[in-house]
Amino acid sequence: KQEVTQIPAALSVPEGENLVLNCSFTDSAIYNLQWFRQDPGKGLTSLLLIQSSQREQTSGRLNASLDKSSGRSTLYIAASQPGDSATYLCAVSTGGGNKLTFGTGTQLKVEL
Amino acid sequence: DAGVTQSPTHLIKTRGQHVTLRCSPISGHKSVSWYQQVLGQGPQFIFQYYEKEERGRGNFPDRFSARQFPNYSSELNVNALLLGDSALYLCASSWGQGEGQPQHFGDGTRLSIL
Repeated sequence: KQEVTQIPAALSVPEGENLVLNCSFTDSAIYNLQWFRQDPGKGLTSLLLIQSSQREQTSGRLNASLDKSSGRSTLYIAASQPGDSATYLCAVSTGGGNKLTFGTGTQLKVEL
Repeated sequence: DAGVTQSPTHLIKTRGQHVTLRCSPISGHKSVSWYQQVLGQGPQFIFQYYEKEERGRGNFPDRFSARQFPNYSSELNVNALLLGDSALYLCASSWGQGEGQPQHFGDGTRLSIL
């Protein structure tokens, strides 16, 4: 059974700081890994998707890496801003249709 | 183009009642998946439907059922509601049913059970 863990559960940083969020998964037989952002009471916004054959993806100030063999992914946020405050979820796509298995998320607060 | 739309946005029910949640996928998307997100947790997979057939099911009781219509919209039904069914119910759509397809999520339906 695939299990996804995210560390830390919560993080508070001052504006402008670079930060790293961590995600680990137990079964390396994944098709891809996605990072999502969730604002309070809202749905999920996809940030980055890394296919299993890729090592990293970049979008603006965000960079996500994937090490499938070790079951790890990191989301790097450069020059954090208060608008980055949200919960960040990672999810892996495994067999059985298009099922996503999610971690419990990292709640990020960027302070002025 | 409209994203994934879900209705209603909020719903309050009492224990034992039945509820129907609705989802319209992005135009051209043929696969719809349902997830349950309890407060403080990540979403949990409930169902995937593709071309009106169930293609995947998570570890949920038979009180949960779903269907997909010819226009690819979907309904999630929950019978005999329990307090523990209180959650945000998320719908996601993708173009096909193949593994690894990017999924696009709606804003969810917040279900509260009294």
